[in-house]
Amino acid sequence: QKEVEQNSGPLSVPEGAIASLNCTYSDRGSQSFFWYRQYSGKSPELIMSIYSNGDKEDGRFTAQLNKASQYVSLLIRDSQPSDSATYLCAVRVGRGSTLGRLYFGRGTQLTVWP
Amino acid sequence: DVKVTQSSRYLVKRTGEKVFLECVQDMDHENMFWYRQDPGLGLRLIYFSYDVKMKEKGDIPEGYSVSREKKERFSLILESASTNQTSMYLCASSTITNEQYFGPGTRLTVT
Repeated sequence: QKEVEQNSGPLSVPEGAIASLNCTYSDRGSQSFFWYRQYSGKSPELIMSIYSNGDKEDGRFTAQLNKASQYVSLLIRDSQPSDSATYLCAVRVGRGSTLGRLYFGRGTQLTVWP
Repeated sequence: DVKVTQSSRYLVKRTGEKVFLECVQDMDHENMFWYRQDPGLGLRLIYFSYDVKMKEKGDIPEGYSVSREKKERFSLILESASTNQTSMYLCASSTITNEQYFGPGTRLTVT
């Protein structure tokens, strides 16, 4: 069973603060990691992908990967009310016939209040 | 931009009906996926396909089948719809680096 766990929400931060979303995974063979944002009633939207240890920055978003500790995180700087959504962590394990499928966490709901 | 389209946004069907959900992608992706999403249960993989006419079961394939006759099109079939198949159905396709892109979803209600 490939488990992907996200910190239980909901998470609530004030506008302008840093929101920190965390995700741990159980399979050491995991190779690729993704963060999706899902607004209520909408489909998930890919916002970040990360493949190697360290930080990856894209605008206000930073993904951090630590394979030794088996966690990946997403930091949102200068949080805006428009960032209020559910964030899904997804992990790819690249073995055998499951090559290409992702395992998703259940998501963390983020609310940014003005 | 990647474009994944699904045939309907909302669908209401009766118990026992055969239901077809269509998904089309325009990016020549090899892999395509069908998920359902329910409150509290997250995204659950029903079936996926890594090539034309190839398919693999996901975590909850019971009561569903799929068809992939052309690379760009992946269909989900509910052979005999039941009320417990009321859900949001999401189709996705993925790049060679496994970034998945989702369609807008079909909210299916079975009465």
